[in-house]
Amino acid sequence: SQTIHQWPATLVQPVGSPLSLECTVEGTSNPNLYWYRQAAGRGLQLLFYSVGIGQISSEVPQNLSASRPQDRQFILSSKKLLLSDSGFYLCAWRQGLSNIQYFGAGTRLSVL
Amino acid sequence: AQTVTQSQPEMSVQEAETVTLSCTYDTSENNYYLFWYKQPPSRQMILVIRQEAYKQQNATENRFSVNFQKAAKSFSLKISDSQLGDTAMYFCAFTFTGTASKLTFGTGTRLQVTL
Repeated sequence: SQTIHQWPATLVQPVGSPLSLECTVEGTSNPNLYWYRQAAGRGLQLLFYSVGIGQISSEVPQNLSASRPQDRQFILSSKKLLLSDSGFYLCAWRQGLSNIQYFGAGTRLSVL
Repeated sequence: AQTVTQSQPEMSVQEAETVTLSCTYDTSENNYYLFWYKQPPSRQMILVIRQEAYKQQNATENRFSVNFQKAAKSFSLKISDSQLGDTAMYFCAFTFTGTASKLTFGTGTRLQVTL
C-alpha cells in the first residue's frame, strides 16, 4: 500500500533562517506531488506541484521554492524565512489518472 | 478562476442526529471532481467522499452522502447518525480532470458533535 511521510512534524525557526521540509511517498511510482499551506483557521492554498522529476510549477510567487530531486521526494525550501511563512504545511500525492489526493500528516512551522 | 464557497463557518449536531454541510462552487468547465475532506484535531487531511461531475448518481460512503446539484453548482455533505469522532473541520474541494489535478479548497466548516 502507498504511504506518505512528511517531516519534521513541528519546527520553530527564527526570522531569516533557512528552511527545508521533506516529503516522501512509498509504494507508488511517478506520482503527482503537491505542497499546500494552511494559515490558522483557513483553507488550504496550493503552493507548488510537480508532475515529474525536476518539474516544478509554482502557484503563488513568494519566499519559498520547491524541488523534486527523486521520483518520490518533494522538498520545500526557503533561503530566509519571514514571519508570514508561519503556518501548517501539507504535502500530498496523486497516483496516475485518479483525481484523489492523499495527504501527509503536515508540518507546523512557527517563525519567530 | 474556480472558487469554492462554504457559507457555514461552524455547525453543531447532537450525537446520532443528521447534519448537512453546504458547499457551492463556480466553474465554466464540464468535467471535474468534487471532494469532501475531513481534518480532525490531529490536522491530518482525510478523504471523506468523492463525486465525479459526469455521474448523476450521488456518491455515498457509509454514513456519509452527498447531494450533488450540477446545474446549481451545489455539493452538500450529509452525515447521518453523527458520532463524536466526526468532530472536525470539513473542507469542500474541487479539481479539473487533467495532468495537474490541482485542488481548490473552500474555507471549511467546523463541525462539533455533542452528547
